[in-house]
Amino acid sequence: QQPVQSPQAVILREGEDAVINCSSSKALYSVHWYRQKHGEAPVFLMILLKGGEQKGHEKISASFNEKKQQSSLYLTASQLSYSGTYFCGTIGGSNYKLTFGKGTLLTVNP
Amino acid sequence: EPEVTQTPSHQVTQMGQEVILRCVPISNHLYFYWYRQILGQKVEFLVSFYNNEISEKSEIFDDQFSVERPDGSNFTLKIRSTKLEDSAMYFCASSRTGGNNQPQHFGDGTRLSIL
Repeated sequence: QQPVQSPQAVILREGEDAVINCSSSKALYSVHWYRQKHGEAPVFLMILLKGGEQKGHEKISASFNEKKQQSSLYLTASQLSYSGTYFCGTIGGSNYKLTFGKGTLLTVNP
Repeated sequence: EPEVTQTPSHQVTQMGQEVILRCVPISNHLYFYWYRQILGQKVEFLVSFYNNEISEKSEIFDDQFSVERPDGSNFTLKIRSTKLEDSAMYFCASSRTGGNNQPQHFGDGTRLSIL
């Protein structure tokens, strides 16, 4: 069962913040975040593991709320280079197969 | 930084023909994956491969698909008797081990166009 991402799209001005959510009805072992620019491969950003940890990557960080089976990706002081589609991928079992959400299109304008 | 490489970058094939998509995973990685992305849609899992056998496959990965590691470096996806709906971007990915905490690194993909 695929995770649900929200919002579907967001438009920001450079320097603004955004939050992208990813939730699942199934118990999760981990949540993987990727960014994909048009016509390119998904690029790995970070992994959140069961345990509610928060991780950071430059000005992009994420959290994992195990109780709610939800992860949130936080983009602060957005840059033009942050534009792209953000996918969360979830692993719900021992097979290591990533099930991706439909993605959130983030557009950062000058 | 080591990366996953895929060839060709674009493949155009007549419906009904066979295609082979090639991937060279990162050299010390043990798990390999194929994913598919139809234009404008999400990335979908096809198959995972470890220790020279399929460890998991999706319902998309039916009898027309097969994977192989013919030598120590290449990992291939074969699609027999291609259909129009097989047109998509195909991504190969690899991870060092199979743990839930292991990032899967994607190649740049092969755009497959079936005419």
